[in-house]
Amino acid sequence: EAQVTQNPRYLITVTGKKLTVTCSQNMNHEYMSWYRQDPGLGLRQIYYSMNVEVTDKGDVPEGYKVSRKEKRNFPLILESPSPNQTSLYFCASSLYLSSYEQYFGPGTRLTVT
Amino acid sequence: DAKTTQPPSMDCAEGRAANLPCNHSTISGNEYVYWYRQIHSQGPQYIIHGLKNNETNEMASLIITEDRKSSTLILPHATLRDTAVYYCIVSPLYNQGGKLIFGQGTELSVKP
Repeated sequence: EAQVTQNPRYLITVTGKKLTVTCSQNMNHEYMSWYRQDPGLGLRQIYYSMNVEVTDKGDVPEGYKVSRKEKRNFPLILESPSPNQTSLYFCASSLYLSSYEQYFGPGTRLTVT
Repeated sequence: DAKTTQPPSMDCAEGRAANLPCNHSTISGNEYVYWYRQIHSQGPQYIIHGLKNNETNEMASLIITEDRKSSTLILPHATLRDTAVYYCIVSPLYNQGGKLIFGQGTELSVKP
């Protein structure tokens, strides 16, 4: 089944403890991106990647890192999480940056205390 | 990017057509209209897109006015599983970072 998977789905952590949220797609998509969703602010793009080893900042990249070493994986790294990064995170992918349809993962709910 | 205006909420009876309007009066000639939906904090799901002509797929129909300043998403026979927030998005095919700008959307409640 074609899908985007994220792990973990739920995470509660403490300030400053490094964490990684994984994202993987099995559709051989070149384009992948990360969003965060907060009440009243909608979905905002954090980082995106047009292909392996090609990443760039979205609208809210502060406090996050990404890497794209393989086509299928696009992990989101929080080196030193803070409470303002408590949010619902979504990974998305599409065949190309210009593709009409983007596929979203199921989401990761992160709480930083 | 062009902005969209949608009603915050709508109700629809199960089995009836759900017509969700979207205003995008400042849309540019190269911008498409996309519709996504999000079922209770799940990942957004693509529904349909169009440029000028009306479009139909297995999920829905999209009607775009001739001046392209508004559109309507039609779910022909709404079911309880169609209860979700529906987002109307306008964006060029090649946009910075491929990002989708989700507004507040319309919360559709399908009732038995």
